[in-house]
Amino acid sequence: AQTVTQSQPEMSVQEAETVTLSCTYDTSESDYYLFWYKQPPSRQMILVIRQEAYKQQNATENRFSVNFQKAAKSFSLKISDSQLGDAAMYFCAYRSFSGYALNFGKGTSLLVTP
Amino acid sequence: NAGVTQTPKFQVLKTGQSMTLQCAQDMNHEYMSWYRQDPGMGLRLIHYSVGAGITDQGEVPNGYNVSRSTTEDFPLRLLSAAPSQTSVYFCASSRSGRGAYEQYFGPGTRLTVT
Repeated sequence: AQTVTQSQPEMSVQEAETVTLSCTYDTSESDYYLFWYKQPPSRQMILVIRQEAYKQQNATENRFSVNFQKAAKSFSLKISDSQLGDAAMYFCAYRSFSGYALNFGKGTSLLVTP
Repeated sequence: NAGVTQTPKFQVLKTGQSMTLQCAQDMNHEYMSWYRQDPGMGLRLIHYSVGAGITDQGEVPNGYNVSRSTTEDFPLRLLSAAPSQTSVYFCASSRSGRGAYEQYFGPGTRLTVT
């Protein structure tokens, strides 16, 4: 199974600042999908952003963007203009091109301070 | 659309008891899955299904049973609960086929086995 590594167990950012969460993965496949999910204290899993590996352009969703480096097998999440509501656990996940199951990293807990 | 629903939200079992966690979705998704979330471990796949009558094991299937008799429902059975099964359980569903389709998660069930 593909391994997803999130090397930062905890991160902290001030309101209105920018923070980057890192994610690396191990795969021998050339086509696959990558996701970032957010889990606030409510426990609900919320999709933040997704990337198809065959697309070179980095995905963007409002204040959230990714830096996808396929050769380096890196998929970092950048949150701009951080808000208090961004405080949550963030999970990076990998999905094979031909499969459906998500392989999750262990998560990064993001704290947003006023 | 209710999305993905799970019942119960909380459950306490004694060692050796059995129970069924219910999961239902109203989006006509072919793919459904069960994950467990433990502190510091991310989410790990227990079982999944790609359609009615078709199920398969994930990363941590021992002690759990599933069946899929309809598109909508995907119950998870704990055969003989053990303290190691204390966890938060998530059901998820998505469209099948190739594409970066979002997996929709239920609100989770917190299970404690004493």
